[in-house]
Amino acid sequence: EAGVTQFPSHSVIEKGQTVTLRCDPISGHDNLYWYRRVMGKEIKFLLHFVKESKQDESGMPNNRFLAERTGGTYSTLKVQPAELEDSGVYFCASSQLISPKTSGKNYEQYFGPGTRLTVT
Amino acid sequence: QQQVKQSPQSLIVQKGGISIINCAYENTAFDYFPWYQQFPGKGPALLIAIRPDVSEKKEGRFTISFNKSAKQFSLHIMDSQPGDSATYFCAASRDTGFQKLVFGTGTRLLVSP
Repeated sequence: EAGVTQFPSHSVIEKGQTVTLRCDPISGHDNLYWYRRVMGKEIKFLLHFVKESKQDESGMPNNRFLAERTGGTYSTLKVQPAELEDSGVYFCASSQLISPKTSGKNYEQYFGPGTRLTVT
Repeated sequence: QQQVKQSPQSLIVQKGGISIINCAYENTAFDYFPWYQQFPGKGPALLIAIRPDVSEKKEGRFTISFNKSAKQFSLHIMDSQPGDSATYFCAASRDTGFQKLVFGTGTRLLVSP
């Protein structure tokens, strides 16, 4: 079974430019999460999709960030215009949706390898 | 405000030794505490997780100890091996249908041969 894939693996752009990151979750996973790790700091939650709907976008830094998940499959995260502080590693994770028949416990989140974004 | 504090930042352990990484959390609503292991060039992968109904969970050489009253939990790696060299992240979340993980800052573990 293919894992979570992310593209590109590394992106170097200049301040003010636009970058779009892509995440392909594990097939059948309705939950999709974006996280970001700024160098040396914690991995921070950005947002969460359930299928194509944004469930929680409380971690999005500002309106320069736009996430989409059309059709409930892959997701994109666009940064426009990019700023120096946007540099970091952006991780995508996916998990199965909780079934009402389960105990309500969480399913494991599977992380992609990340996209390292460098804004110069 | 960091909700999950992790220490140490880095750790060097000799092969066969015990590696110990500590985390403390603030939000008493957290009830799911996973540890993730990350190798260079890879994403974090779930290593072991605990829920507060138990004080310890062991899987092979990896053990989580959990102290609910102190709001602390730790990862112990017994008989540490060079292959365990990686970055370890503790995390916490509500154990609901939507798992918004709050991570610690990570610990870089190096196990010397």
